[in-house]
Amino acid sequence: AQKVTQAQTEISVVEKEDVTLDCVYETRDTTYYLFWYKQPPSGELVFLIRRNSFDEQNEISGRYSWNFQKSTSSFNFTITASQVVDSAVYFCALSDVSGNTGKLIFGQGTTLQVKP
Amino acid sequence: NAGVTQTPKFRILKIGQSMTLQCTQDMNHNYMYWYRQDPGMGLKLIYYSVGAGITDKGEVPNGYNVSRSTTEDFPLRLELAAPSQTSVYFCASSYLHTGELFFGEGSRLTVL
Repeated sequence: AQKVTQAQTEISVVEKEDVTLDCVYETRDTTYYLFWYKQPPSGELVFLIRRNSFDEQNEISGRYSWNFQKSTSSFNFTITASQVVDSAVYFCALSDVSGNTGKLIFGQGTTLQVKP
Repeated sequence: NAGVTQTPKFRILKIGQSMTLQCTQDMNHNYMYWYRQDPGMGLKLIYYSVGAGITDKGEVPNGYNVSRSTTEDFPLRLELAAPSQTSVYFCASSYLHTGELFFGEGSRLTVL
């Protein structure tokens, strides 16, 4: 069965610290997609990144970077020089490619609190 | 662009009442989904649709029904509301089955 585990329930850092959010997934599919979403206190879900299973290159977008390692089934998210505006719940998700339904399986989420 | 629009944003129901959460998207997406979010539990899929006239159950479908008569609309029906259905509900759509999901702003439902 497919599964996404975000073992860190809550993380608290002080502004300007770097922080890494862990995501471990389980799937038997050889082709799959991984996602990260941000949910700020206002409640909406904001798409951050989509990565397919054949692309293991790390990706950087400003202060955000993602480390995808198939060998350990992990897709970790790092925020460099964190800011108060980064405070949110972050979700990692895995696509269920069977039947071409586009369903996403979400982890439990990690609540990040960045203190000034 | 409106994107994915959900109504109502907030609702309080009494046990046993019924209601429909409305969801409409203006992006001509074939794929639509309903998720519920409970504290500390992530998002769980209730129902999904891969196109007009086609719906299927997700992980937690009990107590809910959906229909998809048009590409744009995907309403979620709660029959005989129960306290266990107190949650935040998100509707989402996607252009590709491999693409990212676009979410509505959520509907907070409380059943008392």
